Amino acid sequence: GNSVTQMEGPVTLSEEAFLTINCTYTATGYPSLFWYVQYPGEGLQLLLKATKADDKGSNKGFEATYRKETTSFHLEKGSVQVSDSAVYFCALRSNFGNEKLTFGTGTRLTIIP
Amino acid sequence: DTGVSQNPRHKITKRGQNVTFRCDPISEHNRLYWYRQTLGQGPEFLTYFQNEAQLEKSRLLSDRFSAERPKGSFSTLEIQRTEQGDSAMYLCASKPQTGGQYEQYFGPGTRLTVT
Repeated sequence: GNSVTQMEGPVTLSEEAFLTINCTYTATGYPSLFWYVQYPGEGLQLLLKATKADDKGSNKGFEATYRKETTSFHLEKGSVQVSDSAVYFCALRSNFGNEKLTFGTGTRLTIIP
Repeated sequence: DTGVSQNPRHKITKRGQNVTFRCDPISEHNRLYWYRQTLGQGPEFLTYFQNEAQLEKSRLLSDRFSAERPKGSFSTLEIQRTEQGDSAMYLCASKPQTGGQYEQYFGPGTRLTVT
């Protein structure tokens, strides 16, 4: 079945540091890949997505590239801010049938000023 | 478009009691999903509806759990004879229709604590 393996946290960085959160996946077919963010006390929000190999998703300075050859979708940001502190989830979705999301375990990110 | 809403936001119950949660999807979204998120884990799929039809149930959904979407709009998730292991965040998401170009939109969740 489908699965997502995500870099374990927590991750603590200083403001303006470079961020990488690793994500690899196992899936049949050609899934879509996602990063969701969960801020304290809030629901899941879609951060970015990519629907096919070599696509790059980007939003709010975050980027991730769909790498089929390495089955990876690592999240990066060049300069993090305190407001980026949240839990980040990598997820995949099959593009047929139930179209359910399969999530990784989440990575808690804390940015210190 | 007011987003997906869930009620209640928090529920504390004693073991053995029944609880029911409600999800109101975005208007005219015909797909509705339920997920469960335990502490320190990512959300896990429980079940989904296409309009009023429940099309799939995860093995996580024991026979104490039942979900309905009677008119293809709001949905309810009921847990009978709650156990401490049921303590989790229950998330609802809706989607306009089938197709990979459409996204799931999540509600804020209902946090259940079973004492």
